[in-house]
Order: sequence, then C-alpha cells, then structure tokens
Amino acid sequence: AQTVTQSQPEMSVQEAETVTLSCTYDTSENNYYLFWYKQPPSRQMILVIRQEAYKQQNATENRFSVNFQKAAKSFSLKISDSQLGDTAMYFCAFMKYTGNQFYFGTGTSLTVIP
Amino acid sequence: EPEVTQTPSHQVTQMGQEVILRCVPISNHLYFYWYRQILGQKVEFLVSFYNNEISEKSEIFDDQFSVERPDGSNFTLKIRSTKLEDSAMYFCASNPGQAFSGANVLTFGAGSRLTVL
Repeated sequence: AQTVTQSQPEMSVQEAETVTLSCTYDTSENNYYLFWYKQPPSRQMILVIRQEAYKQQNATENRFSVNFQKAAKSFSLKISDSQLGDTAMYFCAFMKYTGNQFYFGTGTSLTVIP
Repeated sequence: EPEVTQTPSHQVTQMGQEVILRCVPISNHLYFYWYRQILGQKVEFLVSFYNNEISEKSEIFDDQFSVERPDGSNFTLKIRSTKLEDSAMYFCASNPGQAFSGANVLTFGAGSRLTVL
C-alpha cells in the first residue's frame, strides 16, 4: 500500500519570504508520479506542480519548485517570494505509474502573513 | 480553461435518505473519480471509473454507494441510505488518460458539501 505523510499540519510565512513544505511517502513502486495540490479557502483543489519519478531533474513552476529525493522518498515543495494568495491547504499526492488512484497526505495549512 | 463542475454545492439531508451528487467532468477526459474529505481530515479516495465501469474502489465505497455515467456527460455518485458519518465534502475529478497531453493529472471540481442530520 502507498502512504503519504505530511508532518507539518500548519505553517506560516511572511509575505515575500520562502517556505518549504515537507512530504514523505512510502511505496515499493519504482515508477510513479508525485504532486502538490493547493486548496484555497474557496475549496477547489488546484494542481501546483507534478514530478515524474523517473526524472532526476526537480520540477519547477514559476515560484514553486520541488526537492525530489527518490532514495529518501521525500518530495518537498518550496514556495519562493510568498504571496497572500498562496494562503491555502497544500496536499502532497502520489500516483502509481500504472494506476489511476491518487493517495493524498493529510495536508499542510499555509498562512502567508502580510 | 476546461473545468469540472459539481452540483449541488451544498446539500442537507436526513439520515436514511438517498442522495445523488452530480458531476460534469471535462469532456475529453477518460477517467473519473470521487473523493471525499471529512472536515479537518485528509482527502480519501472512493472510486475511479473508466470505460463505463468501476476500475478501482476503496473500502469506504461499500454497497451504500454507487456511481453512474448515465448520459455520456454526467457522472453521479449515489448514496442510498445516508449515515451521519457520510457528512463530508465530496470531490469529483477527471483525468485525460495516459495517452493524452496532461495525462495523469487530476482536475478537481469545487466539491459538494453533504450534511447529514
């Protein structure tokens, strides 16, 4: 079975600063996908960034980047130049390469402080 | 940008009543899902649906639950006899499928909040 662990239930960061959200996972699979989803107070979950396990290069999307450590089964999200609109719940998720079920972590509630 | 739409946004029902939650996935997507999120807890997988049948389901998805794609556009989740513990936010999602650009990314709807009294 796959499990995803987010050990930080709540975090806060000053506007314009950088914050890193942690995620670890457990799997026996070699090929898989990892995701970070953002759920603002308006409720809808939005994809932030995706990483394919067979790619060594860390994914980046503008101010969002990941630190993917496959051997350590770690997938952290770095948000640079934090903005007020980044305030949201962030979920780390795992998907097997050959499956279609997502496994979510418990989420990290991030608050950006003006 | 294409989106997944869900109705109703909020439904209140009495315990034991049947509830149908509706979803319109993105039109060219092939995989459809229902997830639920009990308040303050993590997002839990319920069921995935492909080619007009269930492809995977979780332990939560017992005989009280069913899914249907009745007309090629709607994707519904039915709860036959609701229980208090069914109170949650229910999210529909769709995925284009591995052969397509943007594959293996779930696009979620805004959710339907179910309150069972």
